[in-house]
Amino acid sequence: AQKITQTQPGMFVQEKEAVTLDCTYDTSDQSYGLFWYKQPSSGEMIFLIYQGSYDEQNATEGRYSLNFQKARKSANLVISASQLGDSAMYFCAMRRGSQGNLIFGKGTKLSVKP
Amino acid sequence: NAGVTQTPKFRILKIGQSMTLQCTQDMNHNYMYWYRQDPGMGLKLIYYSVGAGITDKGEVPNGYNVSRSTTEDFPLRLELAAPSQTSVYFCASSQPGVNYGYTFGSGTRLTVV
Repeated sequence: AQKITQTQPGMFVQEKEAVTLDCTYDTSDQSYGLFWYKQPSSGEMIFLIYQGSYDEQNATEGRYSLNFQKARKSANLVISASQLGDSAMYFCAMRRGSQGNLIFGKGTKLSVKP
Repeated sequence: NAGVTQTPKFRILKIGQSMTLQCTQDMNHNYMYWYRQDPGMGLKLIYYSVGAGITDKGEVPNGYNVSRSTTEDFPLRLELAAPSQTSVYFCASSQPGVNYGYTFGSGTRLTVV
């Protein structure tokens, strides 16, 4: 069965420091996509970054990068130079196959301290 | 460009009442979804649709119904509301394929009392 595991219910990081949010996944498929979403206190779901299973390079989007280790089945999100506005829930998600649905982890609540 | 529009944003229902959560997208996406989000539990799939006239159950479909008469609209019906249906509901749409994420609506916060 497919599964996304986020083992950090909550994390703190000092402003301007980098932080890594952990995500491991379980699938037997060869083709799949990995996504990170941000959910601020206002509630909307904001897409951050995508990594395909066949991508050889780690994805980057501005201050966000995805540390993809396929053999370990991990897709950790790295946020560099944290800002107060980064305080939010972060969800890791996976989609497999042409008609697969996104499955989500339980999320990590990140708090950035000034 | 509106994206995915959900209404209402908030609603309080009494036990046993029924209601419909509306969802409309203007991106011509074939795939649409309904998720519920409970505290500490992530998002769980209720129902999804891969095109007009086609719907299928997700992980937690009990107590809900959907229809998909057009590409744009995907309403979620709650019959005989129960306190266990108190949650935040998200509608989303996407294109097929592992490299496509979802576009989410802004969510509906539903309380059943």
